[in-house]
Amino acid sequence: GQQLNQSPQSMFIQEGEDVSMNCTSSSIFNTWLWYKQDPGEGPVLLIALYKAGELTSNGRLTAQFGITRKDSFLNISASIPSDVGIYFCAGPTSGTYKYIFGTGTRLKVLA
Amino acid sequence: NAGVTQTPKFRVLKTGQSMTLLCAQDMNHEYMYWYRQDPGMGLRLIHYSVGEGTTAKGEVPDGYNVSRLKKQNFLLGLESAAPSQTSVYFCASSYGRDVLDTQYFGPGTRLTVL
Repeated sequence: GQQLNQSPQSMFIQEGEDVSMNCTSSSIFNTWLWYKQDPGEGPVLLIALYKAGELTSNGRLTAQFGITRKDSFLNISASIPSDVGIYFCAGPTSGTYKYIFGTGTRLKVLA
Repeated sequence: NAGVTQTPKFRVLKTGQSMTLLCAQDMNHEYMYWYRQDPGMGLRLIHYSVGEGTTAKGEVPDGYNVSRLKKQNFLLGLESAAPSQTSVYFCASSYGRDVLDTQYFGPGTRLTVL
């Protein structure tokens, strides 16, 4: 079945540094979603991508939909302590309302 | 407007016990979902519903049952709990008018089965 692999699995960075993470799949996705999950909370949607090659920003966050439609990238600029959490990529299985989630990238920011 | 709420927040069960998790949404969403989240595995879809009175299986449905008697509520039942069902359970909902609709998540229920 379809799977989403995220890397890195975890990262520790200094406050102020930029962060980059990615999500890859062996099959094509027509939509890529990026969620953030704070400790003890449910995931919250950060950015949605709908077109191959699309680059979308939301404040300090920028995400790109890969040209091959098999990958997506999320960048966070000038990280701050509240960026701590787990970042998930997700996408709907072809033509359905069922979403597949990646394994997550756990981010820790050191002040 | 509370969004998506889940009851209870925490629960400890013994093997073989049964329980029901309640999800409620006040956004008039058609679609509702139950996921489980395990360490290192992301979220996996258990069951979902595309409207009142309808349910469908997701990726990992075994050992769970669901019901959607009212549009705003989606219940997840465990008839005979097993230690493998120890997990964090999240409910989500969406308008469902388009496959691209955003899913809104509840805060989760942390379940431990001894």
